[in-house]
Amino acid sequence: EAQVTQNPRYLITVTGKKLTVTCSQNMNHEYMSWYRQDPGLGLRQIYYSMNVEVTDKGDVPEGYKVSRKEKRNFPLILESPSPNQTSLYFCASSLATSGAYNEQFFGPGTRLTVL
Amino acid sequence: EDQVTQSPEALRLQEGESSSLNCSYTVSGLRGLFWYRQDPGKGPEFLFTLYSAGEEKEKERLKATLTKKESFLHITAPKPEDSATYLCAVQAVTTSGTYKYIFGTGTRLKVLA
Repeated sequence: EAQVTQNPRYLITVTGKKLTVTCSQNMNHEYMSWYRQDPGLGLRQIYYSMNVEVTDKGDVPEGYKVSRKEKRNFPLILESPSPNQTSLYFCASSLATSGAYNEQFFGPGTRLTVL
Repeated sequence: EDQVTQSPEALRLQEGESSSLNCSYTVSGLRGLFWYRQDPGKGPEFLFTLYSAGEEKEKERLKATLTKKESFLHITAPKPEDSATYLCAVQAVTTSGTYKYIFGTGTRLKVLA
């Protein structure tokens, strides 16, 4: 089944404890992206990757890192989480970077709570 | 500044009562406008992509249209199962030549039986 998977789905952690949220897609998609969703603020792009060679910051990159070492995986790293990073996180991917087939497909989400 | 604004924030309709959701945008280098449906606790589900002014797309009770400044999602004779949050997004080119997405905050639709 074609899909975007994220792990873990739920995570409660404490301030300063490094964590990684994994994202994997099995559709050979070029473009991958991370979003956070907060009430009243909608979906905001954190980082995105045009392909394995090009990664760029979105609108809210502070406190996050990403890496794209292979096409199918795009992990989100929080080196020192803080309570303001408590949010619902989504990974997404699209076949093309632009033009036709640039619609994104989303994972099921990861609900993160930082105490 | 690139921006996407959706209205209304929330909408309650009776079953069968048609209406429209609005998405207005200001963006440099539009590479596509997207509509998604999101159910509570789930990831957004892709509905439509529109690329140029005058374009229209339909799927069951939904029809999306695009002008140079805004898009509409028309819902004809809605059913309770159409209740969800509808998200609008644009893809824009950045100054560094990459492509980013900007989402609106969504319209929460409730269809009453």
